[in-house]
Amino acid sequence: EVQLLESGGGLVQPGGSLRLSCAASGFTLSTYGMSWVRQAPGKGLEWVSGFSNSGSKTYYADSVKGRFTISRDSSKNTLYVQMNSLRVDDTAVYYCARGPNRGNAFDVWGQGTMVTVSS
Amino acid sequence: DIQMTQSPSSLSASVGDRVTITCRASQGISDYLAWYQQKPGKVPELLIYAASTLQSGVPSRFSGSGSGTDFTLTISSLRPEDVATYYCQKYYSAPFTFGPGTKVDLK
Repeated sequence: EVQLLESGGGLVQPGGSLRLSCAASGFTLSTYGMSWVRQAPGKGLEWVSGFSNSGSKTYYADSVKGRFTISRDSSKNTLYVQMNSLRVDDTAVYYCARGPNRGNAFDVWGQGTMVTVSS
Repeated sequence: DIQMTQSPSSLSASVGDRVTITCRASQGISDYLAWYQQKPGKVPELLIYAASTLQSGVPSRFSGSGSGTDFTLTISSLRPEDVATYYCQKYYSAPFTFGPGTKVDLK
């Protein structure tokens, strides 16, 4: 079964750092485009960062550029996002999602992990 | 960057009604348009990709159409389990922007 499982969320102070993980099972993560999507409490979906399906390119939303870094470990079949200089408005549920790939969109989503930035 | 808009922002409809949601891109995106359903407290799920292709397992009462800048999601006969927020998303190139969402509830 194809699954994504996020971890690493929690409470962090403004200016702090956090690294989220997304463990994939049932497929080889490194051969797919992958993304992080977040949803602030009561708000809509916001795409945050992604890897191309070739794995050669990374992309970031303007709101996180220079603060977030996406990476992956093929040996662990795991996607990461390192989040630095966190702000109160980074508070959200963070989802990892498979996509886009070969004409398809974000077809598999994890359950999400909550990040709260507060003093 | 290309902006995505949706209308209406919310709607109320009765069981059995035909429901139509519109999504507009600020520039042409060919058919690289997806629709997602997010039920309250749940994870988003892919309904339609490539503007009109139904994701496996999605009921046939859902359909999508459009190309370029204007797209439509239609629920042919609303069921209680369709109460959710629906998002469109462009995925032609990064940033893979979502629309603001359309909340659908029962009248």
